[in-house]
Amino acid sequence: DAGVIQSPRHEVTEMGQEVTLRCKPISGHNSLFWYRQTMMRGLELLIYFNNNVPIDDSGMPEDRFSAKMPNASFSTLKIQPSEPRDSAVYFCASSNSAFGAEAFFGQGTRLTVV
Amino acid sequence: SQQGEEDPQALSIQEGENATMNCSYKTSINNLQWYRQNSGRGLVHLILIRSNEREKHSGRLRVTLDTSKKSSSLLITASRAADTASYFCATDSGGYQKVTFGIGTKLQVIP
Repeated sequence: DAGVIQSPRHEVTEMGQEVTLRCKPISGHNSLFWYRQTMMRGLELLIYFNNNVPIDDSGMPEDRFSAKMPNASFSTLKIQPSEPRDSAVYFCASSNSAFGAEAFFGQGTRLTVV
Repeated sequence: SQQGEEDPQALSIQEGENATMNCSYKTSINNLQWYRQNSGRGLVHLILIRSNEREKHSGRLRVTLDTSKKSSSLLITASRAADTASYFCATDSGGYQKVTFGIGTKLQVIP
């Protein structure tokens, strides 16, 4: 398996633009997580899905953030409109809760909003 | 809010020494895991310990769990320069196994 695949790896965008981050979880995993990592706040859980259903989005910072999981093999995190304070590394992770909670992480998307 | 808190936040040791990192958490858990993150990379799973286990070993890693104190420790023996990384503890609780991370310990192993 190729592991969790995120795209793009790097994104530079201007303030006010819409940004869409993409994630392909490991096949067969039924849980998917979106995290944001910054120097100031560390690793924050934004939202997690179980069987494609959003279970907890309490970590989503504002209404500008939205996430979808239309099927078991794809998820998106969208920021609209983007702001400079959204600059961070965004990680997607997946796990198979049937085998414990070991989460497998993608390489992350480094977002810079200028 | 973060569930786990690692201690210390930064640790610098000489190669060959042992490194001990601690993690405290607030609510009851199903499992506790430790992850490593090399600079600029994604997190890599190291070891998982279940709430009914007290100690677990994996190579040079030893993890202990004290559920009465809501704490865990990660010991890396005979450290190597390649162990330089940030280490996070992660806990999951609840039926959907939501995983939340601490702020991490930054370990530097000096050759």
